[in-house]
Amino acid sequence: DADVTQTPRNRITKTGKRIMLECSQTKGHDRMYWYRQDPGLGLRLIYYSFDVKDINKGEISDGYSVSRQAQAKFSLSLESAIPNQTALYFCATSDLPAGDRVGDTQYFGPGTRLTVL
Amino acid sequence: ILNVEQSPQSLHVQEGDSTNFTCSFPSSNFYALHWYRWETAKSPEALFVMTLNGDEKKKGRISATLNTKEGYSYLYIKGSQPEDSATYLCASNTGNQFYFGTGTSLTVIP
Repeated sequence: DADVTQTPRNRITKTGKRIMLECSQTKGHDRMYWYRQDPGLGLRLIYYSFDVKDINKGEISDGYSVSRQAQAKFSLSLESAIPNQTALYFCATSDLPAGDRVGDTQYFGPGTRLTVL
Repeated sequence: ILNVEQSPQSLHVQEGDSTNFTCSFPSSNFYALHWYRWETAKSPEALFVMTLNGDEKKKGRISATLNTKEGYSYLYIKGSQPEDSATYLCASNTGNQFYFGTGTSLTVIP
């Protein structure tokens, strides 16, 4: 079984609909992230969470919200989807620095391809 | 927002050729530099993480170097094979956030 899973894998929705993308991990990592990838652009950070009580905005958080339900679960919501939120969305987890381990190596889920019509 | 740049954007090489690409990043607020390999229809997978100026890492035929003073990292592939075809991403980690480049797309022609 995959360590980082995302549901759904593909979703087509209409403008104005509320959408939730879910991410679960079995790696036991405290840190979780949501990114979006658009053609010609690098992965851009939407939100990140360093533990259940810690939620932080990333580079492009407008139009998105998140919920960290448990150490293993981190959900991304689009309250009112718009076409320019059409993208490939990745969830990732990372471990903490410890000893010689730098930490923060990202382990990515398989991605969710979202299309907003 | 950090500007992380990768060059070239794409590259085609013959099987057996060696190749390299560049990642440039701001040297201020630097914590670590990461390289990822991203195959089509899969998730990015970590290759290397480097923190110290002069760091060199190697995994099989792939190696990377880091210069934090001038803000660049090189990724080298020796004797490219078709299975090396992928997009190679670098990311600068400031300790709180990751800033990814747009990647170098490598195609190895058999």
